Amino acid sequence: GAVVSQHPSWVICKSGTSVKIECRSLDFQATTMFWYRQFPKQSLMLMATSNEGSKATYEQGVEKDKFLINHASLTLSTLTVTSAHPEDSSFYICSAPIRGRGFEDTQYFGPGTRLTVL
Amino acid sequence: DQQVKQNSPSLSVQEGRISILNCDYTNSMFDYFLWYKKYPAEGPTFLISISSIKDKNEDGRFTVFLNKSAKHLSLHIVPSQPGDSAVYFCAAAIQGAQKLVFGQGTRLTINP
Repeated sequence: GAVVSQHPSWVICKSGTSVKIECRSLDFQATTMFWYRQFPKQSLMLMATSNEGSKATYEQGVEKDKFLINHASLTLSTLTVTSAHPEDSSFYICSAPIRGRGFEDTQYFGPGTRLTVL
Repeated sequence: DQQVKQNSPSLSVQEGRISILNCDYTNSMFDYFLWYKKYPAEGPTFLISISSIKDKNEDGRFTVFLNKSAKHLSLHIVPSQPGDSAVYFCAAAIQGAQKLVFGQGTRLTINP
């Protein structure tokens, strides 16, 4: 079954508005979560690392003031796209790591959120 | 700078035969590799992983091979089934860093 959930699964908004996307780990705690973005027919690109209790870490080229990340609890991270524009239309996916028996981390992904900005 | 490359954008295989998906990487610091399967408008589903201390890992119909000297890994699916049709991504990480670097993906189509 799913171990990471996202809400909403899709959202359409007007240009200039803000949109919040939630990512929840189910039945496990995640001090770290990751936010990815995928444009059509392209790969998944890491946007930022969400850290519980501290500031998020953003990848080069990602505007931290535009993509606000809040890791409010050990099971919830939110991504807010502020003042969204059509070029922000994309598929946003979060992930959370689960440590395996060999101490390696496996990332489990949420189902994704399709954002369309008109 | 594409650190993880999947040079075949698509692959078509007959049902029951072996599917081989390839992935190359450039960063020698990567020591943990994963394969994910993805359907449109869904998040990636974890398939199998391999640590750099191994050269092979097997899980049912899926086997991943790692050639560190060539910086190359491959995913073998045998026998291939129609339900395997999807986009497959390889990903690499440096253990402890947790951040994944993805390849571009290969669209696998299994023909009946």
